[in-house]
Amino acid sequence: AQSVTQPDIHITVSEGASLELRCNYSYGATPYLFWYVQSPGQGLQLLLKYFSGDTLVQGIKGFEAEFKRSQSSFNLRKPSVHWSDAAEYFCAVGTALYNYGQNFVFGPGTRLSVLP
Amino acid sequence: GAVVSQHPSRVICKSGTSVKIECRSLDFQATTMFWYRQFPKKSLMLMATSNEGSKATYEQGVEKDKFLINHASLTLSTLTVTSAHPEDSSFYICSAKAPSRENEQYFGPGTRLTVT
Repeated sequence: AQSVTQPDIHITVSEGASLELRCNYSYGATPYLFWYVQSPGQGLQLLLKYFSGDTLVQGIKGFEAEFKRSQSSFNLRKPSVHWSDAAEYFCAVGTALYNYGQNFVFGPGTRLSVLP
Repeated sequence: GAVVSQHPSRVICKSGTSVKIECRSLDFQATTMFWYRQFPKKSLMLMATSNEGSKATYEQGVEKDKFLINHASLTLSTLTVTSAHPEDSSFYICSAKAPSRENEQYFGPGTRLTVT
């Protein structure tokens, strides 16, 4: 079974600073990788996803992520953080056999705080 | 496209009563829907997988008689919390998978349930 770890529970950055949120996965085959953002009391919004091809993926809101197979990582980056980026970020991994829910696993989340 | 709605967004009910939460795919047919539960400051926990026209598949530890799931049509799944207790208070999120996009799921905005 696949698993996802997000080593940082909480990160604080200053507005305008760069950001990197870490995500590591465990899965024997090529995974399908996702980053979601959740604002307080809200549902999840998909930021970006990786299925195949170019390992550097561009998403919405200026985010990007890079798939590194050798490191089993899919870290999320943004060059300049805005105060509105403060939220909870979830990395997730899915497999090709996707009809069953256990084939899609969320990481524990990283809470991002942004200082003015 | 690929919009999922949930109703209600917030609900307060008394202990011992039942409450129904609806999850609708608005612009696509969802053969599979998922129900998640999210505790405060925690990640999403998969409760069950709902396939249209068949019984839901519950994750280990989830009481199927307490959390009744019905996926009666290709655009509607319902979660009924029966004989609700305060410990059932939580944020419930559904998601739906479109047949044409096998490895993506689209999330609803969530329902905040408070049991008094």
